[in-house]
Amino acid sequence: RKEVEQDPGPFNVPEGATVAFNCTYSNSASQSFFWYRQDCRKEPKLLMSVYSSGNEDGRFTAQLNRASQYISLLIRDSKLSDSATYLCVVNGAAGNKLTFGGGTRVLVKP
Amino acid sequence: EPEVTQTPSHQVTQMGQEVILRCVPISNHLYFYWYRQILGQKVEFLVSFYNNEISEKSEIFDDQFSVERPDGSNFTLKIRSTKLEDSAMYFCASLRRDMNTEAFFGQGTRLTVV
Repeated sequence: RKEVEQDPGPFNVPEGATVAFNCTYSNSASQSFFWYRQDCRKEPKLLMSVYSSGNEDGRFTAQLNRASQYISLLIRDSKLSDSATYLCVVNGAAGNKLTFGGGTRVLVKP
Repeated sequence: EPEVTQTPSHQVTQMGQEVILRCVPISNHLYFYWYRQILGQKVEFLVSFYNNEISEKSEIFDDQFSVERPDGSNFTLKIRSTKLEDSAMYFCASLRRDMNTEAFFGQGTRLTVV
């Protein structure tokens, strides 16, 4: 089983719709969790940290389910500018370092 | 807003040559990392650096690679005798405190080995 796994997509989303996707991790001792956004050929940029209680930042909501070992990201009222690859990043999935999932590609269309 | 800076943005080198990729982490950060991303693939961990020494390295980070923090501000990745398969985007990242804080990435160096 991969240390951090994501559905690669693409998720084709009509503008204004809601999209959600998950990321699973294999190591139950993983300590912290993040969602990053990566645009084509650019560096990953932090979207949000994921807390045990779940957290929301505007149109973005992140959840952590430790029992089932996954995190989720929900995007409401999708904008064209939300088109990107969303990277799940986990600390402690494999040693004391940040481990990246393969990314989920989201395409928001008019 | 403080940021991680990397130079050069693009490096083309001949197979077998040595390259040095440079990074200036955010000044009060303590942990430094190199990652790489081959085109179309996932971001892969290379090495982490803390307290002036390597704290962890991946299987990719073999004797061909080395890192240095020569002057307290720069953080460099040296690749000796480059191979075609070293062509990738190399990202430097820094963390303020520990792994529970978020990592900030530089804009990357695109390395092309010909």
